[in-house]
Amino acid sequence: EPEVTQTPSHQVTQMGQEVILRCVPISNHLYFYWYRQILGQKVEFLVSFYNNEISEKSEIFDDQFSVERPDGSNFTLKIRSTKLEDSAMYFCASSGTLTGGTGELFFGEGSRLTVL
Amino acid sequence: RKEVEQDPGPFNVPEGATVAFNCTYSNSASQSFFWYRQDCRKEPKLLMSVYSSGNEDGRFTAQLNRASQYISLLIRDSKLSDSATYLCVVTVGGYQKVTFGIGTKLQVIP
Repeated sequence: EPEVTQTPSHQVTQMGQEVILRCVPISNHLYFYWYRQILGQKVEFLVSFYNNEISEKSEIFDDQFSVERPDGSNFTLKIRSTKLEDSAMYFCASSGTLTGGTGELFFGEGSRLTVL
Repeated sequence: RKEVEQDPGPFNVPEGATVAFNCTYSNSASQSFFWYRQDCRKEPKLLMSVYSSGNEDGRFTAQLNRASQYISLLIRDSKLSDSATYLCVVTVGGYQKVTFGIGTKLQVIP
């Protein structure tokens, strides 16, 4: 069964460092998302991406964050100058096919970011 | 008002009990509705879509009330394995923005 894969599964970084989280969405999906979940809190929408551009972003997704689809398979989230409060689980998701799809989001297993 | 509101619980119920969760949404333009399940420290996974006519999948029944802007999930004959957090999910603008509620934690007790 096709799945969304994310790397790394866990990254520890120092405050102020840049981090890149990588995702390989399901190959025929058209919509890509990043969510984050601080431990014990809700799943928060960061950004959605379609047709090689951001289609929607939340107030959390400020200038510190950027997304890219550098090739036909990877979808990356870059966090510049990480802060302590960026520590969270970051989930990538994909959805939608040319034939429509069900609207279901398929999630990767997440990348846990710890900022020290 | 929050976009998607849920009672975070926890709901502690005995095995075999019936339990119901509600979720309200604020945007009347919301188009699609889902229940996801999230196990501790795992990714969310789709439990079921919610249709206007209501839908049932085994022990699970989901309903949508557009007039009152809420959706519900009913779990019958609760199993220990049902213990998880149940996330209400609402989409606006098709695939553009998919918003999660805080989730309702269910603990099924032997």
